[in-house]
This record gives sequence, C-alpha cells and structure tokens, in this order.
Amino acid sequence: GAVVSQHPSWVICKSGTSVKIECRSLDFQATTMFWYRQFPKQSLMLMATSNEGSKATYEQGVEKDKFLINHASLTLSTLTVTSAHPEDSSFYICSARAAGREEGYTFGSGTRLTVV
Amino acid sequence: QKEVEQNSGPLSVPEGAIASLNCTYSDRGSQSFFWYRQYSGKSPELIMFIYSNGDKEDGRFTAQLNKASQYVSLLIRDSQPSDSATYLCAVNFGNQFYFGTGTSLTVIP
Repeated sequence: GAVVSQHPSWVICKSGTSVKIECRSLDFQATTMFWYRQFPKQSLMLMATSNEGSKATYEQGVEKDKFLINHASLTLSTLTVTSAHPEDSSFYICSARAAGREEGYTFGSGTRLTVV
Repeated sequence: QKEVEQNSGPLSVPEGAIASLNCTYSDRGSQSFFWYRQYSGKSPELIMFIYSNGDKEDGRFTAQLNKASQYVSLLIRDSQPSDSATYLCAVNFGNQFYFGTGTSLTVIP
C-alpha cells in the first residue's frame, strides 16, 4: 500500500518550452504532496508543498511563477516547469504520506528532466 | 532553521563487515526519524523508521535513536555489495521532512 506513481520517468525538452510532471497517489488520498529537486551528488531539496484545493507553499528561493503546482484532487498533484532552461535540468521527485501510516512518506519514482 | 547533518563519506567497508551511519539533528522537537536508501538515479526507498529512544532492529538493519544527544544512527550488519548506495537520514517535524545530505556507502567485495 501507499504507492505514489510519478510520470514521466524521464523527459528531454528544448530550452524555453514547458514540461509537466504528474504525481499520483494510487491507493490513498493525499491532501498534501511534496516536490523535491535533486542535483547530481546532492541531497533532496524541498521545492514546495502542494495542498489540495489551495495554493502551494514554496520554499525560499524557488520561483513560484516558474514552477507551477496544481493539486486539483486528493490523488493528483502536477508540477509544471515553465520556460525551462538548461539549469533546470535535474531529478524531480514527489512524495506523499498516507494518513495514519507511521512509515512516513512514500516517494514517487522521480523524473529526470534534461533541458537542451 | 532545522538542520540534519550527516557525514557525506564516502564510507567504505569490506563485505561482511558492519557499516555504521550517523546523523545529528538540531531540533529537539523532532518527532520521528527515518533512514532512506537511494541508488544512483533512483528515488529514495525507506529502510527504517524509529520514534522512541533505543534500538530498533529489522533484519540486518538496526536504527538507534538518542533524543537527548539528538543523534540517530543506522547499523548494517553483514554488509553486502548490494548495500552500496547513498543513505539519507530524514527527520520529521510537524508536517515537514528535513533531509540530511546523505552518506555514500561502498561495500567492497
């Protein structure tokens, strides 16, 4: 149980285009989901907290107009990287926690974004 | 600022040995503690979680928590080459997770 599905697993896009990443909780409802970014050989950095039915909360230094988050249902959150540039190339990971489960947060499989 | 610190390593141990991974955290109000394993290019996967002071064992893994010292560790017994990965310590406070930078472990056959 507590499976989080993330798609796509990898994507290559041209500079200036936008990319959407989906994160779905398959067997539980997630009022809150988290989006992380990880650069090579670095740890996960929290980008934003996605709240169902309300605006996302962004961490300091993360541009909310560039990284658009939509959490329209209890099982789906999306992250759209707008006007992507090569420096946005990274590994993006979502996570969520099923209510009442003590084992913490479940991570999606991650999305490797390469902007060329 | 809530901080979680780990020795980045790399830590190398021979196959069959005990690997010891350490983590300290700054917030005394932290409630729960997690160890994740992350292979290169993959998403983190949960190994263990611990809430109470003392030891918690699961197979070859033992998590140790000392809240007074704000210290949590992970011991891996009978280390295998397949254990070679980066190990992330995570601390839960409220609705937030805070990750350490990870310790790279290499188990040498």
